[in-house]
Amino acid sequence: KAGVTQTPRYLIKTRGQQVTLSCSPISGHRSVSWYQQTPGQGLQFLFEYFSETQRNKGNFPGRFSGRQFSNSRSEMNVSTLELGDSALYLCASMEGAGSNTEAFFGQGTRLTVV
Amino acid sequence: AQSVTQPDIHITVSEGASLELRCNYSYGATPYLFWYVQSPGQGLQLLLKYFSGDTLVQGIKGFEAEFKRSQSSFNLRKPSVHWSDAAEYFCAVGARGSGGGNKLTFGTGTQLKVEL
Repeated sequence: KAGVTQTPRYLIKTRGQQVTLSCSPISGHRSVSWYQQTPGQGLQFLFEYFSETQRNKGNFPGRFSGRQFSNSRSEMNVSTLELGDSALYLCASMEGAGSNTEAFFGQGTRLTVV
Repeated sequence: AQSVTQPDIHITVSEGASLELRCNYSYGATPYLFWYVQSPGQGLQLLLKYFSGDTLVQGIKGFEAEFKRSQSSFNLRKPSVHWSDAAEYFCAVGARGSGGGNKLTFGTGTQLKVEL
C-alpha cells in the first residue's frame, strides 16, 4: 500500500497570502488529522476529519481551516499568513473511527512565511 | 486534559550502549500510548504502541516499551543503540476527542545523539 502523501513538500509564501496544503491518506483510511510542528510549540493538533466531517478541532485561530473530500483526501487552508505560521505541517491517516487506532504520518509540508 | 512529559530534551549515548527514554503521561482514562521517531525534515514513524494487555510491548528496530500504570510512565528502551538510531523521539497519548475519533497529544521530544 502506498503511504500518506503530502503535497507540496516545500512552500514559500509572503505574509498576508493564503496557502492550501494537500494530503492523500492510505487507501481505505477514512480519518485524516493535521498537526503543526514548530521548534517553540512542538507538535500541536489542528483538526481531524472523518467521512468528510470535522470531528475535532485544536486551539488554532479561524484562519486555519480544512476539508475532506469523498475519496478521503484532505486539504488544509491557512489564510492571511503570518510569520508565526512557518512550520512543518503533518498529515496523519487512520483506518478506524475510534481512539485506539494508530496514526500513519506523511513526510509533511514545510511552509516558510517571509 | 491529557498531557505528556518527556523530561530529557537531549540524550547522548555511545554506540552499543543501552538506551532508555522517559515518558510520563497524564490522562484520566485508560491511555493509548505511542512512541514515534522523526529524522530531520521527515515525518513521524511509529515505533510501537500500547492499547491494552501485556505491559511490555515490542516495536520495530529492536525497541521496546513498558507501560507502568502506577507510575504513569511509558519508557522506551533499546539494549544496544546503533548510529542510525540518532533522531528525535516523541511519546504520545491518544485520547478520544469531543467529536469522537482520535486526537494525539505529544511530548516535546527527546533528541538522541549517538557517539561512535
